[in-house]
Amino acid sequence: EADIYQTPRYLVIGTGKKITLECSQTMGHDKMYWYQQDPGMELHLIHYSYGVNSTEKGDLSSESTVSRIRTEHFPLTLESARPSHTSQYLCASSESVTDYQTNTGELFFGEGSRLTVL
Amino acid sequence: KNQVEQSPQSLIILEGKNCTLQCNYTVSPFSNLRWYKQDTGRGPVSLTIMTFSENTKSNGRYTATLDADTKQSSLHITASQLSDSASYICVVSDRGSTLGRLYFGRGTQLTVWP
Repeated sequence: EADIYQTPRYLVIGTGKKITLECSQTMGHDKMYWYQQDPGMELHLIHYSYGVNSTEKGDLSSESTVSRIRTEHFPLTLESARPSHTSQYLCASSESVTDYQTNTGELFFGEGSRLTVL
Repeated sequence: KNQVEQSPQSLIILEGKNCTLQCNYTVSPFSNLRWYKQDTGRGPVSLTIMTFSENTKSNGRYTATLDADTKQSSLHITASQLSDSASYICVVSDRGSTLGRLYFGRGTQLTVWP
């Protein structure tokens, strides 16, 4: 069982509100990720981090921001939510490897945060 | 363009029956391919990983195959159970960069009926 936790699991808010999705892991992984998942579609990477004070934007353009002040914590923030932000947000972590030949790439996912913006 | 295509999009089978899910990819250079199972309302969980040199790997009732020449993988589920109802996602990693980039399929939604 992966030790990665997301809160809240479900959130319904109004347009224009600021929200923060929390993600914490206790596995000591350096690499952490945020993915967006819509029904019937592939996971899209929106943010990732290689370690403390490291954050990068992913493939899918997102108006959200992230921070990585502690190894175990990788919160995602939306300053002003809109209905187009309605989606499932999945946080994940993986071990750090420097040799691609040994990079198993296994991701450990949280249970997700389902966001609905009215 | 690196892509991962899965088929069928959805599948319904009766409990106890076998089924096979397909994954075709164009990712190059190839590093590894992983199958994930995602239960409704949960995050994906890894079932198995296939590297370039592996053809077949089993994990209980799950058997994955890889043909690196044709860039195809399959996940075979034997004697299906109700708990197998889930989305099965194929994820391919490239080795074009040190840390590997992941390409996701859209998943196959499997429903097992009693």
